[in-house]
Amino acid sequence: GAVVSQHPSRVICKSGTSVKIECRSLDFQATTMFWYRQFPKQSLMLMATSNEGSKATYEQGVEKDKFLINHASLTLSTLTVTSAHPEDSSFYICSARVGVDQYFGPGTRLTVT
Amino acid sequence: RKEVEQDPGPFNVPEGATVAFNCTYSNSASQSFFWYRQDCRKEPKLLMSVYSSGNEDGRFTAQLNRASQYISLLIRDSKLSDSATYLCVVSGGTGANNLFFGTGTRLTVIP
Repeated sequence: GAVVSQHPSRVICKSGTSVKIECRSLDFQATTMFWYRQFPKQSLMLMATSNEGSKATYEQGVEKDKFLINHASLTLSTLTVTSAHPEDSSFYICSARVGVDQYFGPGTRLTVT
Repeated sequence: RKEVEQDPGPFNVPEGATVAFNCTYSNSASQSFFWYRQDCRKEPKLLMSVYSSGNEDGRFTAQLNRASQYISLLIRDSKLSDSATYLCVVSGGTGANNLFFGTGTRLTVIP
């Protein structure tokens, strides 16, 4: 199957700092990638749909100025959590669609202290 | 109402047992249905798609009932390696790219 990578896998940062998470499709081109967030014992929640060369589409309740998404190439989308706070601590997962299947990155565990 | 609802479990079953998970979804326009498997602190991995006619993949059988908006997963001859959280996943509707995830059903297979 298709491979999606994420970097970093784990990050700990101080409150008020910004964190960038990269999502790459390794063996295919992805015009659309998705960013999800998963809090402990909860389901994955779609945050935004990242479109190559255009603005991301954010789900209701997700602040676009706080979660900056850049999809500058067909193989890379980045999510920047700006001015992170402890409540932003979560598991962030990206995915890319290939046909009808979605392939997920390994996730980034963000802890904001 | 949640888009996708699942019994969170946990289900603790002995090796070799048969176990079934159920899931309901709220959007009647949903077109695509999946079961994903998620191990602790890992990303979800596609287990199988679910087709209207029902489909089987080895020890796993998935069924879809569109009229009742209900999906099921049956695991036969459970193995220790089947221990994981099983996520019911439904597409957002006609032409929609996004997926809606259930909270998952936790399965532990006991030796």
